[in-house]
Amino acid sequence: DGGITQSPKYLFRKEGQNVTLSCEQNLNHDAMYWYRQDPGQGLRLIYYSQIVNDFQKGDIAEGYSVSREKKESFPLTVTSAQKNPTAFYLCASRLTQGQEAFFGQGTRLTVV
Amino acid sequence: RKEVEQDPGPFNVPEGATVAFNCTYSNSASQSFFWYRQDCRKEPKLLMSVYSSGNEDGRFTAQLNRASQYISLLIRDSKLSDSATYLCAVSPYGGSQGNLIFGKGTKLSVKP
Repeated sequence: DGGITQSPKYLFRKEGQNVTLSCEQNLNHDAMYWYRQDPGQGLRLIYYSQIVNDFQKGDIAEGYSVSREKKESFPLTVTSAQKNPTAFYLCASRLTQGQEAFFGQGTRLTVV
Repeated sequence: RKEVEQDPGPFNVPEGATVAFNCTYSNSASQSFFWYRQDCRKEPKLLMSVYSSGNEDGRFTAQLNRASQYISLLIRDSKLSDSATYLCAVSPYGGSQGNLIFGKGTKLSVKP
């Protein structure tokens, strides 16, 4: 089955720890995105990548880092510098700019 | 002015009603427009792309008004299963062509 896979579905982090959220797609899409959604809020863009080895900051990139070493993979690291990381994280991909995007099932991150 | 704005609602309507949502965007050169549906605690799923000529899919009709910079979604004969949050998304034009910006969503609740 083609699609976007995010893992884990639920993640608990202690304060001061870095954690990495996985996002893999087998749709052969060029562009990949990371969004954060807080309860009752919309999607805010963290980072996006249009091509391997290149990515751009979104509106709320501080405290996050990404890499795009392979077309299929776009992992997101939530660093200890992110002061309020508890949220629902969504990864999306699309074939190219102008096309519709498809989402993974999301990762719920909770700081304990 | 925010890049993409939606009325957050909630819109509470009876079954069988017709309901319309608008979404305004600030970048007049925006290229692509989409409507997504998001159920509680789930990922957004593409409902429909919005074309310049307007498009219809069953009970759903999407339209684009470039002069006034908004897109609309019309739902006819509302069903209980239409209850969800509806997100609009816009692809800007220009230096951030790869970006995909979402509104905060409009919540719809269809009552028996």
